[in-house]
Amino acid sequence: NAGVTQTPKFQVLKTGQSMTLQCAQDMNHEYMSWYRQDPGMGLRLIHYSVGAGITDQGEVPNGYNVSRSTTEDFPLRLLSAAPSQTSVYFCASSYSIGNVNTEAFFGQGTRLTVV
Amino acid sequence: GESVGLHLPTLSVQEGDNSIINCAYSNSASDYFIWYKQESGKGPQFIIDIRSNMDKRQGQRVTVLLNKTVKHLSLQIAATQPGDSAVYFCAEYSMKTSYDKVIFGPGTSLSVIP
Repeated sequence: NAGVTQTPKFQVLKTGQSMTLQCAQDMNHEYMSWYRQDPGMGLRLIHYSVGAGITDQGEVPNGYNVSRSTTEDFPLRLLSAAPSQTSVYFCASSYSIGNVNTEAFFGQGTRLTVV
Repeated sequence: GESVGLHLPTLSVQEGDNSIINCAYSNSASDYFIWYKQESGKGPQFIIDIRSNMDKRQGQRVTVLLNKTVKHLSLQIAATQPGDSAVYFCAEYSMKTSYDKVIFGPGTSLSVIP
């Protein structure tokens, strides 16, 4: 059981480049989300999805796009990378958040540096 | 200690002692509160959660206390071990005011002294 898999683990981009961070889960979870984590700060929600075909914005959505064409995959796209997007990105999944069990499973993270 | 700027609050505890990690939240409409543990270089891991209609919940070596009057949440770790060294985050969400959005606090760094 792989859980939540994020790729790549590390990435360096030049300002203005675009890229997609991949996230896949094999637990048939409805809810998936993307967070960014900056030094000394908690995790900030970028985008989330409550099921295939449904996405919504979190706290810091600007500069990022998401899509959810399947239950398993939830890619995060950086349209035009900026140094302010240098961060560690975490993908998470859980059963529908309306249930009692709110346990989220996190991937190992993608460390992104924009130069 | 209290957080200042970008510095995480830190807590140092002797091995074998009990640890208490605190979290203040702002949304009085939050329905669920969750504690996560993040070890260096890893993603957060679920520890325990509590509904807003409860004031205490116990797990293995951990207890979460919720005081809705002062909007305060705490995580107590009994007999702290070196493996408990990590950053601990509280998280909250509200079906009414932030439907499906889980919001994390800034975290507390726990350091266990052998």
